[in-house]
Amino acid sequence: QVTLRESGPALVKPTQSLTLTCSFSGFSLTTTGMCVSWIRQPPGKALEWLALIDWDDDKYYNTSLKTRLAISKDTSRNQVVLTVTNMDPLDTATYYCARTLSGYTYGYYFDHWGQGTLVTVSS
Amino acid sequence: QSVLTQPPSASGTPGQRVTISCSGSSSNIGSNTVSWYQQLPGTAPKLLIYANNQRPSGVPDRFSGSKSDTSASLAISGLQSEDEAEYFCAAWDDNLHGRVLFGGGTKLTVL
Repeated sequence: QVTLRESGPALVKPTQSLTLTCSFSGFSLTTTGMCVSWIRQPPGKALEWLALIDWDDDKYYNTSLKTRLAISKDTSRNQVVLTVTNMDPLDTATYYCARTLSGYTYGYYFDHWGQGTLVTVSS
Repeated sequence: QSVLTQPPSASGTPGQRVTISCSGSSSNIGSNTVSWYQQLPGTAPKLLIYANNQRPSGVPDRFSGSKSDTSASLAISGLQSEDEAEYFCAAWDDNLHGRVLFGGGTKLTVL
């Protein structure tokens, strides 16, 4: 059974950095084709993909936010961490982590999602 | 503004068939697979379709996906009240060292 859970602060101040942790079970990030992504959704708005890390430790970022994002993994603890620097009220959103499957035939897709964690940016 | 374009809303009556479109370009839908997600109010998105037209186990066969050139579609047949949700398409984009794009979402109302 695959599960993912996001954890981190619910409130951050403008200009601070946000660190979110995705703790997962039911799969290994050392298996070929396995990845974890971070995706966010501002209240009432669309999904926005942020970053992806794969089994080979390759990392991909939303080009619009690339200078502010950092993704890493700890395979021994089954965790993926996302850091977002210089937070702004516009970064207020529910942040999801999702298991991402990657393959030549099927491409990339998000087959299991965490419940999400709401992060509010306010002074 | 999303690079993958979806209609903001769609509607249908129970039993009807509805389709939701997702329009992109040669660098995303035109050269990569499309996935679709259903998001019920207050919940996390759920995978409905991957690789253009593949259904994960547990997804009813009322849901189907297709792709042609730079556009994709999600079709829902035998519409049910519980299908009322937001639907998002997604695809990898080959520009700028690779990234994932989501559509802006389509709110489906069952009348």
